[in-house]
Order: sequence, then structure tokens, then C-alpha cells
Amino acid sequence: DSGVTQTPKHLITATGQRVTLRCSPRSGDLSVYWYQQSLDQGLQFLIQYYNGEERAKGNILERFSAQQFPDLHSELNLSSLELGDSALYFCASSVAEGLDLTDTQYFGPGTRLTVL
Amino acid sequence: GQNIDQPTEMTATEGAIVQINCTYQTSGFNGLFWYQQHAGEAPTFLSYNVLDGLEEKGRFSSFLSRSKGYSYLLLKELQMKDSASYLCAVRGSDSNYQLIWGAGTKLIIKP
Repeated sequence: DSGVTQTPKHLITATGQRVTLRCSPRSGDLSVYWYQQSLDQGLQFLIQYYNGEERAKGNILERFSAQQFPDLHSELNLSSLELGDSALYFCASSVAEGLDLTDTQYFGPGTRLTVL
Repeated sequence: GQNIDQPTEMTATEGAIVQINCTYQTSGFNGLFWYQQHAGEAPTFLSYNVLDGLEEKGRFSSFLSRSKGYSYLLLKELQMKDSASYLCAVRGSDSNYQLIWGAGTKLIIKP
């Protein structure tokens, strides 16, 4: 158990819908990262927040958005869902924001999103 | 561009030793991570290398050569539970020092 929690574990929805995925980082961690992993594919970095502020953006679609709240939990919002958005969505957390080069990311159990 | 290469799949026998290679070409190098990921589960941290040489941690060891852009993960005394994907990730210098991830190596252990 990494200490990172994600809800829900599974989500099934229809095309065109909107969903929100939630992540709570490990105690003491200030950075939250979101990743997408499609079936048998590698991890695709989406976005990073540090202490409430956006720090880096990866291959995140305009239909997707995220935020980190004052209590440091984060939400990833996915809208106008398409079949291709079906994937595992992981949240990871770390203590620092990246400038500490030894900073290690710890992953939550993921949310499996199925778009029908 | 940024590129990390790992073999797609490897097979090994229970009790044996296997070496999983990772080569990288990145704009900047600030350390290399190895993670283990069982199917459908979260990646879990295995090791971090930033200096050349071998780091040993129980049955797992990780090696780095910065001049060659090369790392390997060595797994000894293989157990069936070691069947998983092994992900190599490099911390570059772009985009707030984000990790650049390889596609992973799926390791299949046979009895």
C-alpha cells in the first residue's frame, strides 16, 4: 500500500458523458501527478500539481482538466468522453515538485474507466 | 527527441537470473528509475540510479552507465511473483524535470 488513494476503483459510462476521478496523496506529499495507461500501453503523463498550482503539462487533451485543492487532494475531470478514453488512470504523489532530483513518485491503485 | 527503449517481452525460468535492459536518449539526465507493475495494478518503485555503477537491493540490482545512456535491472533467484512489467523512467530536464517513461518490459516466468 503506497498511501495514495484513488476513487472510484471502476467507472463505466457512455460516450459524451463527463466523469471526475479523485486522488488523495500520501501524507506529507505536496505534488500530485496524473497518468493515463491504455491497454498494454505505457504510462502517459497528463499533468502535475504542486501545492495547489499547476507545474507541468504533458499530453493532456483539452477535454480533460484537473485541479488540486487546499487539502492537497486532486481531481481529474474528463468530459465529452470517447471510446478511446477507456484506460487506467493513475495518480501518483511525491514530496517535492521535481527540482529535488531524487524525488520519487508513489502511485495509487488507479481508476479503470470504461467508456461504452 | 526523447526516447527510451526496452525489450517488449522477456521469458525466464523460476530460480534463474534475468537482465532487463533500458537505453535512453533524453535532453538532460537527472536520474533513472525502475518500477514494477503487475497487470492491472499500480507501478511500485524499485530503484533509483543517478551515478554510474551498480546498486543492489536484495534480489534486485540496478546498473547505470551515463556515458552509454544505458541501464539494466538484474533480477536473481526468480520467483513466479516476479512475473510483471518492468518500467524504466528517466528524469530529464524539460517540463519541470518530468519523468520520461519507457513502454515497459513484460517479464514472463516459467516453472
